[in-house]
Amino acid sequence: KAGVTQTPRYLIKTRGQQVTLSCSPISGHRSVSWYQQTPGQGLQFLFEYFSETQRNKGNFPGRFSGRQFSNSRSEMNVSTLELGDSALYLCASSLEEGSNTGELFFGEGSRLTVL
Amino acid sequence: AQTVTQSQPEMSVQEAETVTLSCTYDTSESNYYLFWYKQPPSRQMILVIRQEAYKQQNATENRFSVNFQKAAKSFSLKISDSQLGDTAMYFCAFMIVFSYGKLTFGQGTILTVHP
Repeated sequence: KAGVTQTPRYLIKTRGQQVTLSCSPISGHRSVSWYQQTPGQGLQFLFEYFSETQRNKGNFPGRFSGRQFSNSRSEMNVSTLELGDSALYLCASSLEEGSNTGELFFGEGSRLTVL
Repeated sequence: AQTVTQSQPEMSVQEAETVTLSCTYDTSESNYYLFWYKQPPSRQMILVIRQEAYKQQNATENRFSVNFQKAAKSFSLKISDSQLGDTAMYFCAFMIVFSYGKLTFGQGTILTVHP
């Protein structure tokens, strides 16, 4: 079974631009979460989607948004990029069938550099 | 708000020896999960071990075991018979049950296993 796939793996943008990152969860997983990882702030939760609905959201400005499609694939978008948005963006999926085991399966991440 | 603290930024151990990574957390919740995730250099984060707060028995996964002290809000990870492949960043993480994908991570401990 394929793992969580994130594209692109690396990208460079300039301040003011926008970026869209994509995540394909493990087959059968319906919940997708996004995290930002930086050396200074560590790992921080962005948002979570299930059945195309955002169920939970972290403390990030409105420039950070996401969506989920009917096939559970998810995208996140960052508009008006700032230097501080440079980070590794991790996507994670989980099964979410009935009981919640809490276990998340992570992708390798998309490394965004903002110049 | 939940917080997770890992007080050891870096640790090192000789191959075949035992090492313990520390983690404390703070929460007013009673129903939660605790995790240790491993992030090897430039590779995806994977789950090492998981503990449900209502279970008194400490979780064990092969060479990995935890010491869960609920009253003290402590959750340490013991790695026995350390292997070179254990070299990685280790994150302690906390999730409230049914919090929809929201993990709260510690700052991480870099573990280096020396031959």
